[in-house]
This record gives sequence, structure tokens and C-alpha cells, in this order.
Amino acid sequence: QKEVEQDPGPLSVPEGAIVSLNCTYSNSAFQYFMWYRQYSRKGPELLMYTYSSGNKEDGRFTAQVDKSSKYISLFIRDSQPSDSATYLCAMTNMDSNYQLIWGAGTKLIIKP
Amino acid sequence: DGGITQSPKYLFRKEGQNVTLSCEQNLNHDAMYWYRQDPGQGLRLIYYSQIVNDFQKGDIAEGYSVSREKKESFPLTVTSAQKNPTAFYLCASSKGTAETQYFGPGTRLLVL
Repeated sequence: QKEVEQDPGPLSVPEGAIVSLNCTYSNSAFQYFMWYRQYSRKGPELLMYTYSSGNKEDGRFTAQVDKSSKYISLFIRDSQPSDSATYLCAMTNMDSNYQLIWGAGTKLIIKP
Repeated sequence: DGGITQSPKYLFRKEGQNVTLSCEQNLNHDAMYWYRQDPGQGLRLIYYSQIVNDFQKGDIAEGYSVSREKKESFPLTVTSAQKNPTAFYLCASSKGTAETQYFGPGTRLLVL
């Protein structure tokens, strides 16, 4: 079993829809949670960074961490065709020397 | 502009050949990383370096080598011992090991 599970998709939704992307993990010690966006043939770029549990909002993006369920989510409101990309979750903690553990990424397609 | 550069964008390797991928950063970051990305898989850590003249193996270091002679440079050599080198290689840097990682644009390595 992988430490971080993420549905590879693709997930296809119409423009303007609310998108929900998710990751589950097995190591309850993870404390830092990240979402990266990766366009085709480009390097990933950081979207959201969350410590411990709770919600964090940045514009159209909301990151949610539920440590009791070992489940993190990224919500995208008013989705745009430019949001079409692969979304990668990553997480870490002190015990892993802060090395990031990555999900496989979910490919998201926003249809105009 | 501050950032991370990788070169070349595409690289072709012949059987038995060693090839070197370049990674340079002008962000004044102490830590640098090399990842390998294969289709449908998350990023896997090859090597990382927290300070100049020091580096550690990641999860898949076999068949690769690195050096860190300057703070801004962290080249990766893919040796002939790496039997399946075809992949997308990503370099990243961060201020420290617990800080956000920023990625370069990647190098796609193909075997002839």
C-alpha cells in the first residue's frame, strides 16, 4: 500500500463547476500538507501549504485537512479552462526529515 | 528574475553512456533536490543536498550520482548503471529542508 493515495483521473468537469480533489494517507504523523499544480511538460508549482488540520483559502482555492480521517482535499471554485492540469498532493513531517511524500497526481480537465 | 533553470530541455542517451543534467538556482537556497517522474507515478526522490559539499541518497539513488560544489548548482549524472533512465527529471530547491520546494522546468531524458 502506498503511503499517499491519489486517484489519477482524468477528472473532467464543465467550466464554472466546483472541483474537489482528494488524497488519503496512512502515516498519522504527517503534519505539513501541500498541493502543487503541474501543467503538461512543466515543473510543479506550489498552490497551497497547510500545517496540521483545518482549512486554508486563497482566492478560488481552498485546502482542507482532516487528520482524524487522514484525508486532504483541494477545492477549486468557478473552475476555468486554465485550471486544466495535474494536481499533486505532498506531505511530510519531522520524522521523515521533511522529505516530501507525493501522491501520483490527478489529471483535471475543465471543458469550456 | 529569481528562479531555477534546468538544461537541456530534452536529452538523448545512448546505451552505455553517462549523461549529466544541469540545475542552477539563484534563489540563495541552501537545499536542492533531484526527482524522477514517471507516467502515473508521484515524484520519487533521487538525491538531495542540504548544504554545499554534502548530499544524501533518496529512495532511488542507484545508477545516479550528484555533486554540490557550489551553492547554486546541483548537477545530476545518469550513469550507464541506470537501466531504465527514460523519465522526466525535476530539480527543486528550498530555503531549508522544512521549507517550500520550488521546481525547475524539468529535463526529459530519452534513450536511443
